[in-house]
Amino acid sequence: KAGVTQTPRYLIKTRGQQVTLSCSPISGHRSVSWYQQTPGQGLQFLFEYFSETQRNKGNFPGRFSGRQFSNSRSEMNVSTLELGDSALYLCASSLGDGGRTYEQYFGPGTRLTVT
Amino acid sequence: AQSVAQPEDQVNVAEGNPLTVKCTYSVSGNPYLFWYVQYPNRGLQFLLKYITGDNLVKGSYGFEAEFNKSQTSFHLKKPSALVSDSALYFCAVRELYSGAGSYQLTFGKGTKLSVIP
Repeated sequence: KAGVTQTPRYLIKTRGQQVTLSCSPISGHRSVSWYQQTPGQGLQFLFEYFSETQRNKGNFPGRFSGRQFSNSRSEMNVSTLELGDSALYLCASSLGDGGRTYEQYFGPGTRLTVT
Repeated sequence: AQSVAQPEDQVNVAEGNPLTVKCTYSVSGNPYLFWYVQYPNRGLQFLLKYITGDNLVKGSYGFEAEFNKSQTSFHLKKPSALVSDSALYFCAVRELYSGAGSYQLTFGKGTKLSVIP
C-alpha cells in the first residue's frame, strides 16, 4: 500500500499570504489529522477529519482551517500568514473507526517557511 | 486533559549497549500509548503501541516498551543499540473523547537519541 502523501513538500510564502496544503491518506483510511511541528512548541494537534466532518480541533486561531473530500483526501488552509506559522505540517491517517485504537500513519510533511 | 512528559532532551548511548528513552503520561481514563521515531527531514514512523494486555509491548526494529500503570510510565527500550537508531523519539498518548471517537494524539517534546560508534 502506498503511504500518506503530502504536497507540496516545501513552500515559501510571504507574510499576509494564504497557503493550502494537501494530504492523501492511505487507501481505506477515513480519518485524517493535521499536526504542526516547531522547535519551540513541538508537535501540536490542529484538527481531525472523518468522513468529511471535522471531529476535533486543537487550540489554533481561526486562520487555520481544513476540509476533507469524499475520497478522504484532505486540505488545510492558513490565511493571513504570520512568521510564527513557519513549521513542518504533518498529516496523519488512520482507519478511524470510533472506539478503536488504531495507530496513525504520518506523511513526510510540508515544510512551510514564511518570510 | 492528557499530557506526556519526556524528561530527557537527549540520550547518548554506546553502540551495542542497551538503551532506554523515558516517558510518563497523564490521562483521566485508560491510556492508549504510542512511540514514534522521526529521522531528519522525514515524518514520524510508528514504532509500537500499548492498548491493553501484556505490559511489555514489542514493536518494530527490535524496540520494546514497558507499560507501568502505577508509575504512569511507558519507557522505550532496546537491548542493543545501533548507530542507525540515532533519531528523534516521540511518546504520545491518546484518550477517547466521549461521543466523538476522535484520534487526537498528544505528544511529548521528543528525545534525541545519539548512538555513538
